Amino acid sequence: TQLLEQSPQFLSIQEGENLTVYCNSSSVFSSLQWYRQEPGEGPVLLVTVVTGGEVKKLKRLTFQFGDARKDSSLHITAAQPGDTGLYLCAGAGLDSNYQLIWGAGTKLIIKP
Amino acid sequence: EAQVTQNPRYLITVTGKKLTVTCSQNMNHEYMSWYRQDPGLGLRQIYYSMNVEVTDKGDVPEGYKVSRKEKRNFPLILESPSPNQTSLYFCASGRGTGTHNSPLHFGNGTRLTVT
Repeated sequence: TQLLEQSPQFLSIQEGENLTVYCNSSSVFSSLQWYRQEPGEGPVLLVTVVTGGEVKKLKRLTFQFGDARKDSSLHITAAQPGDTGLYLCAGAGLDSNYQLIWGAGTKLIIKP
Repeated sequence: EAQVTQNPRYLITVTGKKLTVTCSQNMNHEYMSWYRQDPGLGLRQIYYSMNVEVTDKGDVPEGYKVSRKEKRNFPLILESPSPNQTSLYFCASGRGTGTHNSPLHFGNGTRLTVT
């Protein structure tokens, strides 16, 4: 059974600080997606990483896929209150197009 | 506007009273799925459908039924709800071309309480 461990589970920091969220697995994924979920809404895709070592940037958010495609990280620079939310990673297995393996999520609170 | 619509948003019911949560998407997606979200457990897949008349069990299918008679609709049926099915439910849809080519689009959720 493939597992995707996400850490930390909860993070509360001050506006302007930097942070990193991790998703780790012993399994190889064909791609990995990051979603953000705000209260009262469903998850919304932020980015998909496909190639080992790939780095994608979305404004102050930097996403990296590990060289071996087993892990990924999300780094936020100078966090803003608008970054508050639940961040979820989801990996696509090598043998299945749509059966995503989900991390448990990181609840992020950015205090003004 | 492209969207996945779930109804109702909130539902409180009693043990054993059959209920249906509806899900509809307007993006002509082949793939649809139901998830439940519980604190600390993330999203767990209940059922999914790769196309009309094709449905498969996810990780936690017990106590649930689905149907896919039309491409746009994918209702979730709880024949005899129990308190352990109290949860936040999400419907999602996507193109049938692979996850790295297409994201999942989620509805806004249905918060179900079974007493």
